[in-house]
Amino acid sequence: AQSVTQLDSQVPVFEEAPVELRCNYSSSVSVYLFWYVQYPNQGLQLLLKYLSGSTLVKGINGFEAEFNKSQTSFHLRKPSVHISDTAEYFCAAGGNNAGGTSYGKLTFGQGTILTVHP
Amino acid sequence: DAGVIQSPRHEVTEMGQEVTLRCKPISGHDYLFWYRQTMMRGLELLIYFNNNVPIDDSGMPEDRFSAKMPNASFSTLKIQPSEPRDSAVYFCASSFALSGNTIYFGEGSWLTVV
Repeated sequence: AQSVTQLDSQVPVFEEAPVELRCNYSSSVSVYLFWYVQYPNQGLQLLLKYLSGSTLVKGINGFEAEFNKSQTSFHLRKPSVHISDTAEYFCAAGGNNAGGTSYGKLTFGQGTILTVHP
Repeated sequence: DAGVIQSPRHEVTEMGQEVTLRCKPISGHDYLFWYRQTMMRGLELLIYFNNNVPIDDSGMPEDRFSAKMPNASFSTLKIQPSEPRDSAVYFCASSFALSGNTIYFGEGSWLTVV
């Protein structure tokens, strides 16, 4: 069964500092990988996704993530955060093997709460 | 384009009452998902459909929960009878398989059972 582990439940950081939110996945098949952001009292919004190709993926709001197959990781980074980046971030993985048991659905990590302090 | 539309956005109901949550997926999407989010358990997949057919309902907590998708543009999640422990945010989401299974979420239905 596929699993996604977000290594930090909470990450406090000061404004304009860099940040990395860590995500590891476990799968016996190739995967699609995603990062979503959830602002307070809102639904989840897609930040970025890796489907294939370049291992460095750029998303909205200046975020990027790097797919590392050997380390089964998909860490999210931003070189300089803003107060408005305060939110909960979810890493997710889905099987890309059409017809496979995990095809179509995503497995989500437990979330990382990013708090940006002034 | 309209996103995933859920109703009601907020509902407060008494224990034992029936609750029906509704969802309109993004037009053209062939997968529909129902998730539940709580502080204790995080984001849980309850059930998902492909082309209106339930594929995996192993996340449905118990028989009090049921979900239907009578057509490609509508789905319901029903709780009967409701209990206080059902209080949560329920998200509907949809995706199009050929776009890499990117899931798009609705704004959620905030359910409180008292």
